[in-house]
Amino acid sequence: AQSVAQPEDQVNVAEGNPLTVKCTYSVSGNPYLFWYVQYPNRGLQFLLKYITGDNLVKGSYGFEAEFNKSQTSFHLKKPSALVSDSALYFCAVRDMNRDDKIIFGKGTRLHILP
Amino acid sequence: DGGITQSPKYLFRKEGQNVTLSCEQNLNHDAMYWYRQDPGQGLRLIYYSQIVNDFQKGDIAEGYSVSREKKESFPLTVTSAQKNPTAFYLCASSQDRIENIQYFGAGTRLSVL
Repeated sequence: AQSVAQPEDQVNVAEGNPLTVKCTYSVSGNPYLFWYVQYPNRGLQFLLKYITGDNLVKGSYGFEAEFNKSQTSFHLKKPSALVSDSALYFCAVRDMNRDDKIIFGKGTRLHILP
Repeated sequence: DGGITQSPKYLFRKEGQNVTLSCEQNLNHDAMYWYRQDPGQGLRLIYYSQIVNDFQKGDIAEGYSVSREKKESFPLTVTSAQKNPTAFYLCASSQDRIENIQYFGAGTRLSVL
């Protein structure tokens, strides 16, 4: 079955420092990968996707993600963190074997310290 | 939260009661989804519908029911058979199956009295 794993429940970063939120995937075939962000008591918002092409994908709010096929990873990155980036981040994969449903990771809580 | 409206924002259920959560979209999307979110467990799929008058069970459908009589509406009923209904419920829609980018509502928080 297709799946994604987010190995860190929480990540703490000082404001202005670069941030990385980790995600690894397990899929058969070519992966369709996504990152979503959730602010408190809100729904998820789409940040970016990897379908094919460049391994570095740029998304909303200055975020980017690096697709690494050999390491089966899709880590979310930002060069300089803002306090307003504090939120819950979800990695996700499209499951082409099950009606193209989206499988979400368990989420990583990002705390940006002022 | 785009064009997905969920209501109510907070809902309380008494023992043995069925409750219905509303989800309406004005994005003209064919597919709609219901997820349940519990702390530390991510999102789990309850039901989904890819077209009007058709829907399929997700991973945790027991104790829930849905209907899809109109393209813009996909209500979720939490029945008395669902013994642990306290959670945050999220509705989403998507435009196409290929990319399946999901657009979410603001959610309904259900608690048991």
